[in-house]
Amino acid sequence: QKEVEQNSGPLSVPEGAIASLNCTYSDRGSQSFFWYRQYSGKSPELIMSIYSNGDKEDGRFTAQLNKASQYVSLLIRDSQPSDSATYLCASNTGFQKLVFGTGTRLLVSP
Amino acid sequence: NAGVTQTPKFQVLKTGQSMTLQCAQDMNHNSMYWYRQDPGMGLRLIYYSASEGTTDKGEVPNGYNVSRLNKREFSLRLESAAPSQTSVYFCASSEAGPMFYEQYFGPGTRLTVT
Repeated sequence: QKEVEQNSGPLSVPEGAIASLNCTYSDRGSQSFFWYRQYSGKSPELIMSIYSNGDKEDGRFTAQLNKASQYVSLLIRDSQPSDSATYLCASNTGFQKLVFGTGTRLLVSP
Repeated sequence: NAGVTQTPKFQVLKTGQSMTLQCAQDMNHNSMYWYRQDPGMGLRLIYYSASEGTTDKGEVPNGYNVSRLNKREFSLRLESAAPSQTSVYFCASSEAGPMFYEQYFGPGTRLTVT
């Protein structure tokens, strides 16, 4: 069973701090990784994708991938209360399918 | 562009009733997916369609059928609804990139089976 594991949280950070969200995956064959943000009662929204080892930055978001350790992370700089949501990590398992973690709930306090 | 649209937004069924959830995308994507999301279980794939004319089972296909009507539309049918099918259902679509398959989700259908 190919799995993606996330700490369910909640992860609480003060406004302006860096939030660090982590994810591990079991399938060494996974090539692509995704972070989705999901507000309560809404659908998942793609915010980052990464497929090479190292860092990928987009605005306040940085995705980090370490294939040797089977580890993916998402850093959110200058966290805002509007970043409070559940963040889902997903990996591509081949055949155009993704497997999702259960998500980490992030709370950013003013 | 509307992206991925789903109908209905909410539905209440009695046990044994049937219904079809509709999904359409206007991004010209080849692949479409149906997921269900339950508390503590994350998103689980029910069925997917890699291209028009093909469908395949996902992780939790029992009790569901799908139809890929054309490139734009992918429907999910519950023939005889059960309380265990109470969930939020999401449709998604994707286009294969050189290395990855970014999926884009519709707004969801919240289904309650009593």
